[in-house]
Amino acid sequence: AQSVTQPDIHITVSEGASLELRCNYSYGATPYLFWYVQSPGQGLQLLLKYFSGDTLVQGIKGFEAEFKRSQSSFNLRKPSVHWSDAAEYFCAVGRSGGSNYKLTFGKGTLLTVNP
Amino acid sequence: DAGVIQSPRHEVTEMGQEVTLRCKPISGHDYLFWYRQTMMRGLELLIYFNNNVPIDDSGMPEDRFSAKMPNASFSTLKIQPSEPRDSAVYFCASSLVGFNSPLHFGNGTRLTVT
Repeated sequence: AQSVTQPDIHITVSEGASLELRCNYSYGATPYLFWYVQSPGQGLQLLLKYFSGDTLVQGIKGFEAEFKRSQSSFNLRKPSVHWSDAAEYFCAVGRSGGSNYKLTFGKGTLLTVNP
Repeated sequence: DAGVIQSPRHEVTEMGQEVTLRCKPISGHDYLFWYRQTMMRGLELLIYFNNNVPIDDSGMPEDRFSAKMPNASFSTLKIQPSEPRDSAVYFCASSLVGFNSPLHFGNGTRLTVT
């Protein structure tokens, strides 16, 4: 069964600092990987996704993520954080192939941005 | 594009009452998903539909939970009878056909069962 681990429950950074949110997955085949962001009182919004090809993917709002098969990781990065980036971030892994469509989400990382 | 619309935004009910949550997916989307979010368990997939047909309901916790999709533009999630442990935020999401298509989430319904 697929699973996702986000080791950091809560991260605090200063505005303008760089950011890296960690995500490790467990899946037997090539995974489909996603990062979603959730602002308070809102649903989840897709930041970026990886299916194949270039292991460094660009997303919205200046975010990027790198797929590292050897480490089973898909960490999210941003070079300079803005106060509006404060939110909860979810990594997800999807089953590749087959007829079922299932995403498994991590427990999330809450990002606080200090002025 | 109005996005996925869920109602109500908040629901407070007493234990034993029936609760119905509603969802209108994005027009043209073939898949509809119901998720539940709690602090303890995170986001859990309850059930999903493809072209209005339930495909996988293995995440539905108990027989007290049921979901329907009578047409392409409407789905309900019903809990009868409700219990305090059902308190959570329930999200509906929809997507186009194909595994590559991302999920579009509604803003959720916060359910409190007292």
